[in-house]
Amino acid sequence: AQSVTQPDIHITVSEGASLELRCNYSYGATPYLFWYVQSPGQGLQLLLKYFSGDTLVQGIKGFEAEFKRSQSSFNLRKPSVHWSDAAEYFCAVGTPTGNQFYFGTGTSLTVIP
Amino acid sequence: EPEVTQTPSHQVTQMGQEVILRCVPISNHLYFYWYRQILGQKVEFLVSFYNNEISEKSEIFDDQFSVERPDGSNFTLKIRSTKLEDSAMYFCATLRQPPLNEQFFGPGTRLTVL
Repeated sequence: AQSVTQPDIHITVSEGASLELRCNYSYGATPYLFWYVQSPGQGLQLLLKYFSGDTLVQGIKGFEAEFKRSQSSFNLRKPSVHWSDAAEYFCAVGTPTGNQFYFGTGTSLTVIP
Repeated sequence: EPEVTQTPSHQVTQMGQEVILRCVPISNHLYFYWYRQILGQKVEFLVSFYNNEISEKSEIFDDQFSVERPDGSNFTLKIRSTKLEDSAMYFCATLRQPPLNEQFFGPGTRLTVL
């Protein structure tokens, strides 16, 4: 069965520190992977996506993610976190048919000054 | 920049009442979705819709739920007889063409069932 696991429920980092949010997926075929960010009271905004090709993908707001097939992971990184990055982050995997998208439980990021 | 819109932003209803949540997709998008997010929990898939029919639905999407695109523009989610546990944020998402496109999400409708 398809699933997405985000093992860290809550992460706190200092402003300017680096960040890595973990995502592991279980999917039988080629995964289509996404990271979304949700600010309080807002909808979901796409940060980046991976379909194929270069396994290191760049997204908006200085985020990047690396697809590692051997580890079934798609971890999100940012070298220097800003206070405005405080939000909920969701990893998702989609099917090629577009019929179904599976979301992780989310990681809540707190940024301390 | 085109965006997905949802109305109303907040709906309060009595248990047992019917509610209709509305979504206006991005104009050239062909695939439509509803998701639910109970407060503090993850985003849960409800249903996907393509070519005027349901493509897939989750176990949450029982007989109390229905979707339709009545006029070729709005995409609606109807809950026939709301329960307290239906209180959640409901997000509409649309996608132009899989698999190489991403979903665009609307801002959500907060449903409160009293």
